Amino acid sequence: AQSVTQPDIHITVSEGASLELRCNYSYGATPYLFWYVQSPGQGLQLLLKYFSGDTLVQGIKGFEAEFKRSQSSFNLRKPSVHWSDAAEYFCAVGGYGGSQGNLIFGKGTKLSVKP
Amino acid sequence: DAGVTQSPTHLIKTRGQQVTLRCSPKSGHDTVSWYQQALGQGPQFIFQYYEEEERQRGNFPDRFSGHQFPNYSSELNVNALLLGDSALYLCASSPRDRGPRGTGELFFGEGSRLTVL
Repeated sequence: AQSVTQPDIHITVSEGASLELRCNYSYGATPYLFWYVQSPGQGLQLLLKYFSGDTLVQGIKGFEAEFKRSQSSFNLRKPSVHWSDAAEYFCAVGGYGGSQGNLIFGKGTKLSVKP
Repeated sequence: DAGVTQSPTHLIKTRGQQVTLRCSPKSGHDTVSWYQQALGQGPQFIFQYYEEEERQRGNFPDRFSGHQFPNYSSELNVNALLLGDSALYLCASSPRDRGPRGTGELFFGEGSRLTVL
């Protein structure tokens, strides 16, 4: 079955500390992988995406993610967290470029940032 | 350039009633997808429309139906509301793939929060 697992429901980090959010997926075909961020009362915003090629992808707001096929993982990282990064983060997987619209989302990881 | 707009932002209905949610896609986009996001969960795909037809559907009952208009805007209709239909309903738009791979990016609206009492 196709699925996305985000093992951490809630993570708290100090401002300036590094961050890693975990994502594991199960998908029968070549996966197209995404990270979205959702702030309270807002829609989802795309942080970054992976289709093929370099397994380390850069996104907006200083985020990056690494695709590891052998581990079926696509973890999100940021070297130094800012208070404005507090939000909920969703990993998603799709096929055929993803813009077919049928993305499978994980349950999300809520990030809190301590001053 | 307006992004994806949804209306209404909040609404309250009672069990058994019907609801219509509306979505205008981002300028230049012709494909609209609808998602349901229950509290504490990730979004779940309901269906997708382009060229005024439903093209893909997730695991949702027939009580959920939709429509796309010639200007690419879309409606989501839910009949015979249940308590479990309470959720944030998200609309996302994208340009339809016209090649082997698309950009893969969905642009989401801020959602319509439905409460069923």
